[in-house]
Amino acid sequence: KAGVTQTPRYLIKTRGQQVTLSCSPISGHRSVSWYQQTPGQGLQFLFEYFSETQRNKGNFPGRFSGRQFSNSRSEMNVSTLELGDSALYLCASSLVGGASTDTQYFGPGTRLTVL
Amino acid sequence: QKEVEQNSGPLSVPEGAIASLNCTYSDRGSQSFFWYRQYSGKSPELIMSIYSNGDKEDGRFTAQLNKASQYVSLLIRDSQPSDSATYLCAVTSGTYKYIFGTGTRLKVLA
Repeated sequence: KAGVTQTPRYLIKTRGQQVTLSCSPISGHRSVSWYQQTPGQGLQFLFEYFSETQRNKGNFPGRFSGRQFSNSRSEMNVSTLELGDSALYLCASSLVGGASTDTQYFGPGTRLTVL
Repeated sequence: QKEVEQNSGPLSVPEGAIASLNCTYSDRGSQSFFWYRQYSGKSPELIMSIYSNGDKEDGRFTAQLNKASQYVSLLIRDSQPSDSATYLCAVTSGTYKYIFGTGTRLKVLA
């Protein structure tokens, strides 16, 4: 079974631009979560989607948004990029997500650099 | 107080020794607990999950959970240089949310 895939793997943008990242979960997984990872802050939860609905959101500004499609693929968008948005963005999928015995599996990540 | 706390390390152990990694969490309602390993420049990969008090063994890895003390640990027996990585503790919190610690960097010295 194929794992979680993320595209693109690397991105270089300039301040003020916007970016869209894509995630395809493991086949059969309906929950997709997004995380931002930086050396100083570790893995920070952005949001979680299930059946095209955002069920939970972390403490990030409104510039960070996401969506999920009917095939469970998910995208996240960051508008008006800031230097501090430079990070590794990780997508994780699980069967149903949440406070259960479900397990998250991570994609390879998208490395975003904002100049 | 952070929701999930780990000592950042580095924790250095000689090859063949037991490495002990610890994690405490603040939400008493947390139900599921996970250990991930992350090599530099790579994404986290799942090592162990544990849901009930006690020990769970998988090969050289043993996860230990004590919900009363809000403590979860990971023991790595016969540590190898290839075990050198950052180990992330994660717990489920509330609904649909996994909270990660900042990780403990392990260095196994050959």
